[in-house]
Amino acid sequence: QKEVEQNSGPLSVPEGAIASLNCTYSDRGSQSFFWYRQYSGKSPELIMFIYSNGDKEDGRFTAQLNKASQYVSLLIRDSQPSDSATYLCAATTGGFKTIFGAGTRLFVKA
Amino acid sequence: GAVVSQHPSWVICKSGTSVKIECRSLDFQATTMFWYRQFPKQSLMLMATSNEGSKATYEQGVEKDKFLINHASLTLSTLTVTSAHPEDSSFYICSATEEYIQYFGAGTRLSVL
Repeated sequence: QKEVEQNSGPLSVPEGAIASLNCTYSDRGSQSFFWYRQYSGKSPELIMFIYSNGDKEDGRFTAQLNKASQYVSLLIRDSQPSDSATYLCAATTGGFKTIFGAGTRLFVKA
Repeated sequence: GAVVSQHPSWVICKSGTSVKIECRSLDFQATTMFWYRQFPKQSLMLMATSNEGSKATYEQGVEKDKFLINHASLTLSTLTVTSAHPEDSSFYICSATEEYIQYFGAGTRLSVL
């Protein structure tokens, strides 16, 4: 069973701090990795995607991928209360099927 | 990014009636769309994969005769919940894939009385 694992949280950080969200995946054939943000009662929205090992930065967000360790992370710098949401990690397998993690709830305290 | 439109956003219906939900890719063609269901405070659950011009592929445990999927064109997939019951009340979300990235519709909240 191909899986994407995330800590359910909640992860609580003070405003202005760095929030670090982590994800592991079981299928070594996974090629593409995604982070989605889902506010309560809303559908997921894409934040970032990453295909290659290393870091990818977009504004306050940095995605990190380590294929050897089968590990993906998302860093949110200068966290804001509006970042409070559930963050979903997803991996596309070698068969081009996307597997979603259960999500990590983030709470940013003002 | 690509835009996926889902309609209606909210529907209330009586038990035993059928409800149709539409999912459209607005600025791209999607040969594959996905339908998810999400209960409060739970994770996304993939119900089925909708393939243009062919039958949908349902996940284990999802009743294909209850959740009818039609992907009649490259921009439209529909999910019909037949003979809806209160236990079908949930948040239904569609997504479409462009260049291996899934983009989600806004979701449909179904309440069955």
